Amino acid sequence: QKEVEQNSGPLSVPEGAIASLNCTYSDRVSQSFFWYRQYSGKSPELIMSIYSNGDKEDGRFTAQLNKASQYVSLLIRDSQPSDSATYLCAVNGEYGGATNKLIFGTGTLLAVQP
Amino acid sequence: DAGVTQSPTHLIKTRGQQVTLRCSPKSGHDTVSWYQQALGQGPQFIFQYYEEEERQRGNFPDRFSGHQFPNYSSELNVNALLLGDSALYLCASRSDSNYGYTFGSGTRLTVV
Repeated sequence: QKEVEQNSGPLSVPEGAIASLNCTYSDRVSQSFFWYRQYSGKSPELIMSIYSNGDKEDGRFTAQLNKASQYVSLLIRDSQPSDSATYLCAVNGEYGGATNKLIFGTGTLLAVQP
Repeated sequence: DAGVTQSPTHLIKTRGQQVTLRCSPKSGHDTVSWYQQALGQGPQFIFQYYEEEERQRGNFPDRFSGHQFPNYSSELNVNALLLGDSALYLCASRSDSNYGYTFGSGTRLTVV
């Protein structure tokens, strides 16, 4: 079983719709969770971080965490063509230590259709 | 405020050669990690440096080595290059008080 799993997509949504991206992880002691956006040929850009169960909202983005189900998701409201990118889920793979090694999923390709 | 800077941006090397990639972390950041990202994959953790020491290492062979300097900048060295080492190499930095990593623009290494 992969440590961090994502559906590779592509996930295609019309402009203005809600895009829902999902991620599951295998290490129950993971404490920190991140969503990165990566445009083709570019480096990952941190867009959301979440540490506690529940929802965290930042503009059009909402991250949701359920540690009991080992599940983290990202919702993008009012999707725009400029949101088309690969979204990487990353999990702190350290046992609560200070090194905070990030383990990434393979990413989900999101395509927002105008 | 400069973010994470990496050099060079692109590099072509021949099998068996050695390569050095460089990274300057974001101002205020003292922890540097290196990742390898193959096409279509997520970044894979190579190692992390803090206070000039390798603090953690991923599942990479000893051909991959690194260094951190007193100014927190870092180098990644790869010896005896293989075709499979062709990838985007990413440097990421953070401060110890903040869990979120900032990535540099990466170095695209092609081994021929």
